[in-house]
Amino acid sequence: QQQVRQSPQSLTVWEGETAILNCSYEDSTFNYFPWYQQFPGEGPALLISIRSVSDKKEDGRFTIFFNKREKKLSLHITDSQPGDSATYFCAASPITGNTGKLIFGLGTTLQVQP
Amino acid sequence: GPKVLQIPSHQIIDMGQMVTLNCDPVSNHLYFYWYKQILGQQMEFLVNFYNGKVMEKSKLFKDQFSVERPDGSYFTLKIQPTALEDSAVYFCASSQLGSAETLYFGSGTRLTVL
Repeated sequence: QQQVRQSPQSLTVWEGETAILNCSYEDSTFNYFPWYQQFPGEGPALLISIRSVSDKKEDGRFTIFFNKREKKLSLHITDSQPGDSATYFCAASPITGNTGKLIFGLGTTLQVQP
Repeated sequence: GPKVLQIPSHQIIDMGQMVTLNCDPVSNHLYFYWYKQILGQQMEFLVNFYNGKVMEKSKLFKDQFSVERPDGSYFTLKIQPTALEDSAVYFCASSQLGSAETLYFGSGTRLTVL
C-alpha cells in the first residue's frame, strides 16, 4: 500500500499555463514534504519543500499548497516553461526522529508544450 | 550545487555474480544513503550509514546486500550474489546533518541482472 500517492501520472500543459500536481499521504506523523524534480538521466533534485505547520510555501513560480486535515498537498507551477518538463516526485518524512529516510510517490511526468 | 557522483551509470551482470556500486558523496557530508527504484515503481529507501555503521535498513536490504565506506573514499553498495529482482536503478544520497532537508541525490546506477 502506497503511503504517498501522486496524481495525475502524467500531465501536459501549454507554455504559460499553470500546472497543478497533486499528492496525498496516509501517515499523520509525516510533517515534512519535499518536492523533487528529476530530468532524464539525472538524480532527483530538491525543488521546494514545506513543513506541516504551514499551509503555503512559495518560491518563484513554484508554490506548495498544504491541507493537513485532508492530508493533501499540491504543487502549482505558474507560467510553465518547456524547461519545466520533468518528473516531479512528492515525498514525505516525519521531522521527529528524522533520519533522512523519505517516502516517495510514484511521480508525475510533466510535459510543457511550447 | 553540491554533487553526488555515482559510478558507473549503467552496469550489466549475470545473475549470481557480485556487483559493487560506487558513490562519491558531497565532501563534507557525514550521512549516506541508498535508495532503489524498480522500473515503474517509486523510489524506496534501502539503508542509511553514518560513522562506519548502518543506522537503519529497510526490508528491501537483503542479507546479500552490504555497505561500507573504507578510508573515507567511495560509499559502496555490494550485492553478492545478485538476483534477477535486483535489477533497478540505485540512487545514492548524502546529507550533512542526517536529515531529509539536507539530502542530495546522485544520478543513479542502472543495474541490469541477466
